[in-house]
Amino acid sequence: GAGVSQSPSNKVTEKGKDVELRCDPISGHTALYWYRQSLGQGLEFLIYFQGNSAPDKSGLPSDRFSAERTGGSVSTLTIQRTQQEDSAVYLCASSRTGDPDYGYTFGSGTRLTVV
Amino acid sequence: AQSVTQPDIHITVSEGASLELRCNYSYGATPYLFWYVQSPGQGLQLLLKYFSGDTLVQGIKGFEAEFKRSQSSFNLRKPSVHWSDAAEYFCAVSPSNDYKLSFGAGTTVTVRA
Repeated sequence: GAGVSQSPSNKVTEKGKDVELRCDPISGHTALYWYRQSLGQGLEFLIYFQGNSAPDKSGLPSDRFSAERTGGSVSTLTIQRTQQEDSAVYLCASSRTGDPDYGYTFGSGTRLTVV
Repeated sequence: AQSVTQPDIHITVSEGASLELRCNYSYGATPYLFWYVQSPGQGLQLLLKYFSGDTLVQGIKGFEAEFKRSQSSFNLRKPSVHWSDAAEYFCAVSPSNDYKLSFGAGTTVTVRA
C-alpha cells in the first residue's frame, strides 16, 4: 500500500484479556519495527523484523508480549493477559532495509486502553 | 548506549516568530540524527536527517537543523512558524549502520495567533 497501515486505530480491552495489533507495512519494505509510546514518554523500541525473522526483540517488556511477521509483510503484535500499564499507543514502522539511511515510515498507531 | 535529551517539554511561540527546538545526544561516535513531527492522532513524519557532510541540513516544511559535534547537539529551527506547525517534535538517533532509533521524550509546540 501507499503507507503503513495499522489496525485497529483504537482498542479498549479489559485487564487480563489478550489483544492483537496488526501492522501492514509498505510493499517491498523488508524491515519492520514496533515501538510503544506511553503518555508523556518518548518512543520505546519493542522489536525489529528483517523479513520474517526478528533479530532484535530486546525491547519487548515481558513474556506477555510477542510478535510475528508472515510472508515478509503483515506483522501482528500480541499482548497476553493485558495490564493497565500496557495502555499506550503502539506504532509500527517499516523501511526498505535495516539501514536507517533509507528512513522509516510510520503508521498512525493503535491506541490501546486497558481498563 | 546512546541517549537523547530534549530539554524543553513544551514551547509556546507566536505565529510568524522563529522557533528553535533543542536536542542533545550521548554517543561515542557521530550517530545518524533525525527529527520527526507528530500531529495529533497521526504517525510520525520525518522532517530531516543528518548522516555526514554539511552540518546544516534542510528539511521539509521549512525546517532546518544544525549538527554541532562539539556540543553533541542537533537543534531544529524554523524562521517563521505557521499555526499548522503546532505538533509534537521528536529528536532521534541511531548508531551508524544500526537500525534501532532512540527517541527523545519530545517537545510539544503550541502556536498562538
